[in-house]
Amino acid sequence: GEDVEQSLFLSVREGDSSVINCTYTDSSSTYLYWYKQEPGAGLQLLTYIFSNMDMKQDQRLTVLLNKKDKHLSLRIADTQTGDSAIYFCAERPDAYSGAGSYQLTFGKGTKLSVIP
Amino acid sequence: NAGVTQTPKFQVLKTGQSMTLQCAQDMNHEYMSWYRQDPGMGLRLIHYSVGAGITDQGEVPNGYNVSRSTTEDFPLRLLSAAPSQTSVYFCASSYGGVGANVLTFGAGSRLTVL
Repeated sequence: GEDVEQSLFLSVREGDSSVINCTYTDSSSTYLYWYKQEPGAGLQLLTYIFSNMDMKQDQRLTVLLNKKDKHLSLRIADTQTGDSAIYFCAERPDAYSGAGSYQLTFGKGTKLSVIP
Repeated sequence: NAGVTQTPKFQVLKTGQSMTLQCAQDMNHEYMSWYRQDPGMGLRLIHYSVGAGITDQGEVPNGYNVSRSTTEDFPLRLLSAAPSQTSVYFCASSYGGVGANVLTFGAGSRLTVL
């Protein structure tokens, strides 16, 4: 079945770039997402990328997708203490395969700690 | 626009008690779902619904019931709580169509079963 893998922890210094990596197994994935969860809160969408793209940039965030290797990454430039959170990678299977395609499969999350 | 509202935020139960976690959305979303989040396990899908009157099981449905009598509401019922159900529960919804179909999450309900 589908599986999404992420490393569990990442620690960076304030002002440096953070790169959070994710691998997935479902080759039919059409959309891939990054969600952010701050302590005691729900998940908030950061960004998503369609599978026919290989890069998407949104202010400090850059998403890279290597569909051949099924590898997704999220780069946060100039990381700030407010970026400390858990980041979840998620995939959506074939968007045209019926009701089950509404479901997302999440990784276990990467806890980003930013050192001042 | 409230988005997805979950109640209660915190709940403590004794083993064997029953309770209902409430979830309501005001975005006219067709798709609604319940996840549980446990340390080291990420998010696991419990049940989901693609519209009023239609529900289906996710990855970890045992011990939980759901119903969807209206588009807005999707309650999660624990009929006989067990310590293994201690977790943080998230309700999420989306419009359910083609396209990015972004999930909007509630703030979560933290449940402790003693």
